[in-house]
Amino acid sequence: NAGVTQTPKFRILKIGQSMTLQCTQDMNHNYMYWYRQDPGMGLKLIYYSVGAGITDKGEVPNGYNVSRSTTEDFPLRLELAAPSQTSVYFCAYGSLYNEQFFGPGTRLTVL
Amino acid sequence: TQLLEQSPQFLSIQEGENLTVYCNSSSVFSSLQWYRQEPGEGPVLLVTVVTGGEVKKLKRLTFQFGDARKDSSLHITAAQPGDTGLYLCAGSGVQGAQKLVFGQGTRLTINP
Repeated sequence: NAGVTQTPKFRILKIGQSMTLQCTQDMNHNYMYWYRQDPGMGLKLIYYSVGAGITDKGEVPNGYNVSRSTTEDFPLRLELAAPSQTSVYFCAYGSLYNEQFFGPGTRLTVL
Repeated sequence: TQLLEQSPQFLSIQEGENLTVYCNSSSVFSSLQWYRQEPGEGPVLLVTVVTGGEVKKLKRLTFQFGDARKDSSLHITAAQPGDTGLYLCAGSGVQGAQKLVFGQGTRLTINP
């Protein structure tokens, strides 16, 4: 979806390293979300935001942090990477009826 | 906790056959969506259903929302190889409507 940009596309981390997954949307929507998708599974909500300065935990927030200083950007921070955080991470924005529009994803491997 | 159960989890059929994928819950949802995901890409929204009993058609795909707004189905007529992908249903709860609950997905393979 051209409205959501995620960087990087791929990353390999060593256990204990930290990194920030970037997410930017250009559609001026207030609602934004971070999900993780493990192989063969559906999506699990990590954190979400209903507007600049407002964030809340989802289903699986442990090991992650977020911030929302602007409407456009919603970065996801991993402080101490663990092998259990190996996954594909998707950022999305939400619109009417909470229809969500996803970015292309970041594939993260923790070794 | 609201849960959505999709069935079947895997389905492999021949081109031209019909199929139905189910999405069930014991909870009521204010709206329900279906997404399709191709390998290496993010999910793409196919449809949103809002009213109990609602039926929406998208070419060969027919989506139905249950009367009680607890379940939904996706029916594909005359499946084609281009329909191959992971199909995800997602519900927006009556409370906490700004979040979606996703089913685990149905991986569909259409063989030529």
